[in-house]
Amino acid sequence: NAGVTQTPKFQVLKTGQSMTLQCAQDMNHNSMYWYRQDPGMGLRLIYYSASEGTTDKGEVPNGYNVSRLNKREFSLRLESAAPSQTSVYFCASSKAGTGGTEAFFGQGTRLTVV
Amino acid sequence: GNSVTQMEGPVTLSEEAFLTINCTYTATGYPSLFWYVQYPGEGLQLLLKATKADDKGSNKGFEATYRKETTSFHLEKGSVQVSDSAVYFCALSGKAAGNKLTFGGGTRVLVKP
Repeated sequence: NAGVTQTPKFQVLKTGQSMTLQCAQDMNHNSMYWYRQDPGMGLRLIYYSASEGTTDKGEVPNGYNVSRLNKREFSLRLESAAPSQTSVYFCASSKAGTGGTEAFFGQGTRLTVV
Repeated sequence: GNSVTQMEGPVTLSEEAFLTINCTYTATGYPSLFWYVQYPGEGLQLLLKATKADDKGSNKGFEATYRKETTSFHLEKGSVQVSDSAVYFCALSGKAAGNKLTFGGGTRVLVKP
């Protein structure tokens, strides 16, 4: 039972490089999310997709783009990485919004931009 | 908008001590409230939740009660173990914010033998 799978687990980028973080869930969830985790700031929502075919900005979308490829997959792209994007990135999914239902998280991608 | 405030850590305890982590929130309407736990090197997992006022969520010896009058959802455990060492996040989700989760800053708990 894989749940939410993120790749890669670790990545080091140089300033200005681009990369895509991949996320897939096998729970048939409608909603998917990308968060970043920074020390002392909890998790902040970057983008979310309430359902297949829709995406919306969260609290900190600048510098990122997303694609909801299909119901299972939701990718996060950094077009031109900056040191301020050094963080741990988490993908999550839930049945339909979080409401009173549980969100399931991947194990995270630790990204360092030098 | 919605916001969650929780006590800063780290909180260091001895095994079998009583743990309380304070959490207060600001939200429009009647949000659902959650505690998530993050063990070292892992993603977050749901610890417990409460969906309406006066509900008590409980799991693995942890408890939290949804107090609307004080807008609080404090986490408690009567006797902690070394295995409870983790980062704990309070979160809320409500219709007014499109049902997205809003997290507090997290509280690191370290339990020593």
